Amino acid sequence: EPEVTQTPSHQVTQMGQEVILRCVPISNHLYFYWYRQILGQKVEFLVSFYNNEISEKSEIFDDQFSVERPDGSNFTLKIRSTKLEDSAMYFCATERVQGRGGYTFGSGTRLTVV
Amino acid sequence: GENVEQHPSTLSVQEGDSAVIKCTYSDSASNYFPWYKQELGKRPQLIIDIRSNVGEKKDQRIAVTLNKTAKHFSLHITETQPEDSAVYFCAASFLTGGFKTIFGAGTRLFVKA
Repeated sequence: EPEVTQTPSHQVTQMGQEVILRCVPISNHLYFYWYRQILGQKVEFLVSFYNNEISEKSEIFDDQFSVERPDGSNFTLKIRSTKLEDSAMYFCATERVQGRGGYTFGSGTRLTVV
Repeated sequence: GENVEQHPSTLSVQEGDSAVIKCTYSDSASNYFPWYKQELGKRPQLIIDIRSNVGEKKDQRIAVTLNKTAKHFSLHITETQPEDSAVYFCAASFLTGGFKTIFGAGTRLFVKA
């Protein structure tokens, strides 16, 4: 079964540093999303991305966050100046057709800001 | 804003019993309702979903019901097994510019052998 791959699996960073989380979507998927999950809490929507544009974002996704798909394969989430409260599990999710059949989630990146 | 309420937060059942998890959603534009199972330290995985034009859907031991008028939907697991123990998330999805999915807070299900 095709998988969504995320790297790194775990990232530890100093507060104020920039981090880039990477996702390789399933090859024929066109819709991409980032979600985060603070330990023990629910999965929270960050952003949706289609056709090289953000199509929707949440209040969490402020100016410190950005997404891009620079080379047509990797889908990245950048946090410019990390804060302690950014510590969470970040999941990439993709789907081939919008709203059909649920997401395929990546394995996640655990971000720890110290 | 959009919200999905999920109950209970924790559910403990004896192996073989049924488990029911209930959710309500706030945005009437929601038209797709997936359920995810998340085992400890792993990614959420889709287990069943239902669309707004359907009232009930079943897949072996798992069933989901939807009441659009009341904005309620529920997950039913019959003949529970220890391997069903996990956190279950309901979610409601809708189109708003892009496609957005709002998750419930999760239900931690314990199935005791």
